[in-house]
Amino acid sequence: AQTVTQSQPEMSVQEAETVTLSCTYDTSESDYYLFWYKQPPSRQMILVIRQEAYKQQNATENRFSVNFQKAAKSFSLKISDSQLGDAAMYFCAYRSAGQGGSEKLVFGKGTKLTVNP
Amino acid sequence: EPEVTQTPSHQVTQMGQEVILRCVPISNHLYFYWYRQILGQKVEFLVSFYNNEISEKSEIFDDQFSVERPDGSNFTLKIRSTKLEDSAMYFCASGQGVIQPQHFGDGTRLSIL
Repeated sequence: AQTVTQSQPEMSVQEAETVTLSCTYDTSESDYYLFWYKQPPSRQMILVIRQEAYKQQNATENRFSVNFQKAAKSFSLKISDSQLGDAAMYFCAYRSAGQGGSEKLVFGKGTKLTVNP
Repeated sequence: EPEVTQTPSHQVTQMGQEVILRCVPISNHLYFYWYRQILGQKVEFLVSFYNNEISEKSEIFDDQFSVERPDGSNFTLKIRSTKLEDSAMYFCASGQGVIQPQHFGDGTRLSIL
């Protein structure tokens, strides 16, 4: 079974600075997707960024980028120029991509990010 | 931007009672999911639903749980006889295709007394 581990329960960053959130995962599959979701307080989970395992190029989405290290099974999220609105719980998630594979998302426990003005 | 909506936002129920959690997925989505998060724990998959039937379920999703798409817009999760350990945040999600990202609702906080 796949597992996702987020080793940082809480992180903080100064506004306009850069922060990196860590995520590692365990799987025997070769074809899968990785996601970062953001959940602001009392709000829904929003997809931040997605990475296909077969792509070597790291995904980027504006100020958000990932460092995907397939051999190390590591998938960290970098937030550049942090803004107050980035304060949220961030979840790393895994999903199979192979034919007939599971549709379910497997989540880490989350990292609570605080942005200080 | 279209959203997944869930009602109610908070449900308080006596142990042993039936509860129905409601979700309206995004209108052109075909795949529907329920997840739950017990306080302080990971978000866990419960069930996926496609073409009017369950496509996958976890070991949590036992005979006390059922899902239904009673009309063209709603997707419901029913817990037949609630237990204290069912207290959690329940999230509904939907997706356009099986490999497309899942979009989540705000969640329903279920409290069992």
